[in-house]
This record gives sequence, C-alpha cells and structure tokens, in this order.
Amino acid sequence: QQQVKQSPQSLIVQKGGISIINCAYENTAFDYFPWYQQFPGKGPALLIAIRPDVSEKKEGRFTISFNKSAKQFSLHIMDSQPGDSATYFCAARDAGGTSYGKLTFGQGTILTVHP
Amino acid sequence: EPEVTQTPSHQVTQMGQEVILRCVPISNHLYFYWYRQILGQKVEFLVSFYNNEISEKSEIFDDQFSVERPDGSNFTLKIRSTKLEDSAMYFCASIRVRTGELFFGEGSRLTVL
Repeated sequence: QQQVKQSPQSLIVQKGGISIINCAYENTAFDYFPWYQQFPGKGPALLIAIRPDVSEKKEGRFTISFNKSAKQFSLHIMDSQPGDSATYFCAARDAGGTSYGKLTFGQGTILTVHP
Repeated sequence: EPEVTQTPSHQVTQMGQEVILRCVPISNHLYFYWYRQILGQKVEFLVSFYNNEISEKSEIFDDQFSVERPDGSNFTLKIRSTKLEDSAMYFCASIRVRTGELFFGEGSRLTVL
C-alpha cells in the first residue's frame, strides 16, 4: 500500500514535444506529491510538487496534474528540450508518518529528448 | 544556494569491512535522512534523524547500519560489515521544514567486492 507506481520506464521525445509521465498510488494518507529530476552522477533535485487540495500546478514548462479520486498524478513537460534529458521520479509522503521527509519514490522514468 | 555535501563520492570496499559515509547537511536544517539507490532502481528511504536520535527507519536499516551526528555539522552512516548487496548509491538529505522540500546531496557510491 506504500507503493508508488510510475510509468513509463523510459520515454523518447522529440525536441519541442510534450513529455508525460504518470504515477499511481494506493495510500490515501499521502499528502504531498513531489517530482524529482536526477541527472547522471547527481542527487535527485526537486522539480515541482503538489498537495491533494489542488488538481493542477504549473511552473514554467512543468505541470503536475493530480486526480485525487483516481489516485493518480502526472508530470507534463511542455516544449521538451535536450537539457531535460534525465531520470524523473515521482514520490509521495505519508501524512501519518513520523518522518516529515520520508518519501516513497516511484521506479523512475528515463527521459531522452532528441534534438 | 546552500547544498548538502557528501564524502566520499565513491568508495570501494571488501565484503565484511566497515564503511562510514559522511554528510554535511544544510546548516540551518534540523532533520536529516539517508536514502539508498541500487543501480537502475528507485530511491529508497533508510532512516530519518532528528534531535540526535533516529525518528524512523525502514526495514532495510538493520543492525548493520547506524547513524550519528558526531560534531554538530557532520551526519554519518556506518555500515558495520558490508555485504555485496549493500552496493548502491547512498544519498544524504536534509529538509526545509517550511516548504517540505527535501535537499539531496550528490551521493556516495559504495561498491562492495
């Protein structure tokens, strides 16, 4: 029940296209849903995050769509650029957990944007 | 932008040896974490640490693991007797409580032979 399922495993997009990565969860106690971007040899870095009281959050070219009833959320990258090529992880935090920074991560999506 | 720093960046060790991975969290952060990422797999929570004690640990964090904040700035992860399956990237993190943002270091790659 603590799992977060992420798809696809890998994604190839042309420059200027839209990249869409999906995540699903079971635990209704999750209250915070961040997306992390990881470049090779680096640690994950927070890209954008959403809380379940809103259905969408946009920051620049990055948008999270959140469907509370379906227990799904997705990351949309508009006008994808070669510099966006990285691994993307969705994650979730259990509001009932004792650790504020304990996140459950999805499996990751390797995004490749071709020029 | 302040950052979490980790050393060493890569450590190779023989099975059964002890290793200590070091981290310097962001200076005004109070909650610290270790996560692990086995090659090609997801990032997994190991342990959280606050006020000089463990606040939560995962089932991965068995008796072989320990954490310590020895001097008010460093935060260490010790693996007492390494196993082959401990080979992974270990990430230290600290949290900005106001926003909930978790800041990760660049990781320490541990290779157990």
